Amino acid sequence: KQEVTQIPAALSVPEGENLVLNCSFTDSAIYNLQWFRQDPGKGLTSLLLIQSSQREQTSGRLNASLDKSSGRSTLYIAASQPGDSATYLCALGGGADGLTFGKGTHLIIQP
Amino acid sequence: GAGVSQSPSNKVTEKGKDVELRCDPISGHTALYWYRQSLGQGLEFLIYFQGNSAPDKSGLPSDRFSAERTGGSVSTLTIQRTQQEDSAVYLCASSFDGPNTEAFFGQGTRLTVV
Repeated sequence: KQEVTQIPAALSVPEGENLVLNCSFTDSAIYNLQWFRQDPGKGLTSLLLIQSSQREQTSGRLNASLDKSSGRSTLYIAASQPGDSATYLCALGGGADGLTFGKGTHLIIQP
Repeated sequence: GAGVSQSPSNKVTEKGKDVELRCDPISGHTALYWYRQSLGQGLEFLIYFQGNSAPDKSGLPSDRFSAERTGGSVSTLTIQRTQQEDSAVYLCASSFDGPNTEAFFGQGTRLTVV
């Protein structure tokens, strides 16, 4: 059974810093990996999708990488802003079981 | 609509009553998923529909839970004889063509059983 771990569970940094969120998984037989953000009381917003054959994806200030052999993904956020404050979730797509989620990293960007 | 739509956004019900949650996926998306997010917990997968195919119901937490998808579009999640432990946010997602395509989530239904 796929297990997904996100480290750190919580992170607080000053505005403007670059930061890295980590996601590790136990089963490399995945279709894809998707990063989401969740604001309090809201649903999930898709940030980036990396297919299993890809190594990374970029969108604006966000860059996500995937290393299936080591079971790791990172989400890099450049020049962080207070609006980036949210919970960031990593999810693995493995077939008919839907997405398997980590518990998330709660990020606070201090103005 | 442009996104996944869920209704109601909030539901308070008395223990023992039945509730029905609705999800309208993005138009043209063949895959639809239901998840549950309990307070302080991660997202728990419940069920996945691909087109008109019969879903695997093994992820549903008990036989009080059922789900259907009519015409390969709108889906309803029904919880019978609700219990307090059913209190959670129920999230629906859709994707264009199964689990290898990007999933988009609705805003969720917050269910409170009192």
